[in-house]
Amino acid sequence: KNEVEQSPQNLTAQEGEFITINCSYSVGISALHWLQQHPGGGIVSLFMLSSGKKKHGRLIATINIQEKHSSLHITASHPRDSAVYICAVSLGGATNKLIFGTGTLLAVQP
Amino acid sequence: GAGVSQTPSNKVTEKGKYVELRCDPISGHTALYWYRQSLGQGPEFLIYFQGTGAADDSGLPNDRFFAVRPEGSVSTLKIQRTERGDSAVYLCASSSGLVTDTQYFGPGTRLTVL
Repeated sequence: KNEVEQSPQNLTAQEGEFITINCSYSVGISALHWLQQHPGGGIVSLFMLSSGKKKHGRLIATINIQEKHSSLHITASHPRDSAVYICAVSLGGATNKLIFGTGTLLAVQP
Repeated sequence: GAGVSQTPSNKVTEKGKYVELRCDPISGHTALYWYRQSLGQGPEFLIYFQGTGAADDSGLPNDRFFAVRPEGSVSTLKIQRTERGDSAVYLCASSSGLVTDTQYFGPGTRLTVL
C-alpha cells in the first residue's frame, strides 16, 4: 500500500465545474503539499499546509490531520487548469524529503 | 530571479553507457533534492544534499547511482552502466534549507536508455 494515495486517478470536467481531488496518507507528516505538473513541464508548488485551509485564487486546499486526509478544490474550472495534480507529504526531520502520490490527471473541457 | 535549471532536457543513451545529469539550483539555496519520476507515477526521492554533503542518500536504487555537489551549488547525478529500467524523468528541487520551506522544482531531464 502506498503511503500517499490520491483519488481519482483521472478526472474529466466541463468548464465551470467545481472540482475536488482527494489525498490520504498513512504516515506522520510535518506538512502536506499540493503540486501541479503540466504535460512536458516542471512541477509547481501550489500549497504547503500543516493544518486548516488555504486559498489562492480559485484553488482551495484543506487538511484534516486527525483523519490524515486532504482535499484540493478548484472552483469555476477552466481548460487551463488541465494538468496533473500531485499530493506529497514531507516527513520533516533533518531531510524533509517528499513522498508523492501518483497524481490525478485533470482534463477540463471547454 | 532564475529558477532551478537542469541540463540536458533530454538524454538518449544506450544500455551500459555512463550518463551525467546536471542541476543548477536557485542561488543561495542550501538544500538540493534529486527525484526520479517513472511514466505514470509520482516522483520518488533519490538523494538530498545540505550544502556539499549528501545528508540522505537512502533513495538511490543501487551503487550504479551517485551524486555530487562539490561546491554546494551545482549538483551532478551520475549513472553508471545504464539499464533500460533507468529510463525516467529525473527531477531536481532546491529550497532554502529550512524545514518549512517550499521546494522549487526544475523542468527535469528525460532519460531514455535504449
